[in-house]
Amino acid sequence: QVQLQESGPGLVKPSQTLSLTCTVSGGSISSGDYYWSWIRQPPGKGLEWIGYIYYSGSTYYNPSLKSRVTISVDTSKNQFSLKLSSVTAADTAVYYCARESLSSDSSGEYLWGQGTLVTVSS
Amino acid sequence: QTVVTQEPSFSVSPGGTVTLTCGLSSGSVSTSYYPSWYQQTPGQAPRTLIYSTNTRSSGVPDRFSGSILGNKAALTITGAQADDESDYYCVLYMGSGPSFGGGTKLTVL
Repeated sequence: QVQLQESGPGLVKPSQTLSLTCTVSGGSISSGDYYWSWIRQPPGKGLEWIGYIYYSGSTYYNPSLKSRVTISVDTSKNQFSLKLSSVTAADTAVYYCARESLSSDSSGEYLWGQGTLVTVSS
Repeated sequence: QTVVTQEPSFSVSPGGTVTLTCGLSSGSVSTSYYPSWYQQTPGQAPRTLIYSTNTRSSGVPDRFSGSILGNKAALTITGAQADDESDYYCVLYMGSGPSFGGGTKLTVL
C-alpha cells in the first residue's frame, strides 16, 4: 500500500525559503503512472494546488506561485521536494504531498499524505 | 480570473439527502473539467470521495455520488450519517491547473 509522508522544518523565517520533502513508500516514484503534487491549506481556509512533477522531472506550477516555486524529484531516494522562496506569513499553511494518476480518466483521484504545518514567523 | 464556487455551509438531517454543488464564477461546469470531491474532518488530511465527475474512490460508500446538474458539478449524499459532518471540497481542472473551491461545511443535525 502506497503511503506518502511529508517532512521538513515547521518554522521558517520571513523572506527565507521553505523546503519540504515527501517520501513515498510502498511503490516506486519512477513507475511513470503518476504525477507527484504539492497542495497547501492555510489555517481555517481552503486548499490550494501548488504544482506537480513527473518522475522524469517535468513540472507544472500554479501560475500564482510559479515565480517562487521549485519542485524536484530524487528517484534514487523515492522522494520529491518543494522549495518556496521569499516566504511571508501568507505562506503559513499545512502542506500536503499527494499522488495523482496520469490518466485523464483518473484526474482528481489524489492519494494524500498526512500533511505538515509550516509556520512563517520571525 | 474564474473562481470555483461552493456553498459555504449546508445542513442535512440524519438519514436525509443533500446535494452540494461546485460551479464557476463565469461559465458552466462540464465533464471536461473532471470535477472531483474531497471530504475533510478537522485536523485530518482530505480524503478523495469522487473523481472525474462520478467515479467513487476505493472504499467510498455508494451513498456518495457525483454528477453534473445543470451548469454545476454536484455531490449527493443519500442517507446522511453523523460522521458525514465534514468539510467538502471540489476541484476543477482549468487551463492553469487544478483549482479548488472554497469548501462547504456540512452539518448533520
